[in-house]
Amino acid sequence: GDSVTQTEGLVTVTEGLPVKLNCTYQTTYLTIAFFWYVQYLNEAPQVLLKSSTDNKRTEHQGFHATLHKSSSSFHLQKSSAQLSDSALYYCALSEPSGSWQLIFGSGTQLTVMP
Amino acid sequence: GGIITQTPKFLIGQEGQKLTLKCQQNFNHDTMYWYRQDSGKGLRLIYYSITENDLQKGDLSEGYDASREKKSSFSLTVTSAQKNEMAVFLCASSIPQGTGNTLYFGEGSRLIVV
Repeated sequence: GDSVTQTEGLVTVTEGLPVKLNCTYQTTYLTIAFFWYVQYLNEAPQVLLKSSTDNKRTEHQGFHATLHKSSSSFHLQKSSAQLSDSALYYCALSEPSGSWQLIFGSGTQLTVMP
Repeated sequence: GGIITQTPKFLIGQEGQKLTLKCQQNFNHDTMYWYRQDSGKGLRLIYYSITENDLQKGDLSEGYDASREKKSSFSLTVTSAQKNEMAVFLCASSIPQGTGNTLYFGEGSRLIVV
């Protein structure tokens, strides 16, 4: 079945250094949308980025991601990690089936160290 | 803006007990969802509803019932609580956006089975 894979469960990075969270997917649909959600401790998950256009960079709050349908990827990147970026990050695939319901990856816990 | 309110924040029950979680949204969104959050497993869909009195099963619906009696509320019942069901349950709502729906989440309800 269709799926989303986040290979790293835990990522630790030093403040000021770049960070990359990997996300790949499998789908049978050509028209899709992709999301990154962030969940800070004891808070609700909230949308960080959304994209449905192939090869177009999307940016928000210093993070960026590009949907690459050729490699089935939507990796999240930031050039300089901040302590406040420490959180749980989910990537999610939205397909036309089931009213565009989301298929979530298993999540990556990002810890930014001083 | 709007808000999603989940009650209770913590629900403690005994094994075999029937337990109900409630969710209210004031976004006036049509579609509502219940997800289960387990560490390392991401968010898995239990039930969703595209309008009042509609119910659609997700991948994890076995052992759960849901009810959408009003547009603004969506409840989830664990029919017979088991210790391996201890998790955080997240309610969300969305409106159609063409390609992909952005979900807005509540802060979650933690189920503890003793």
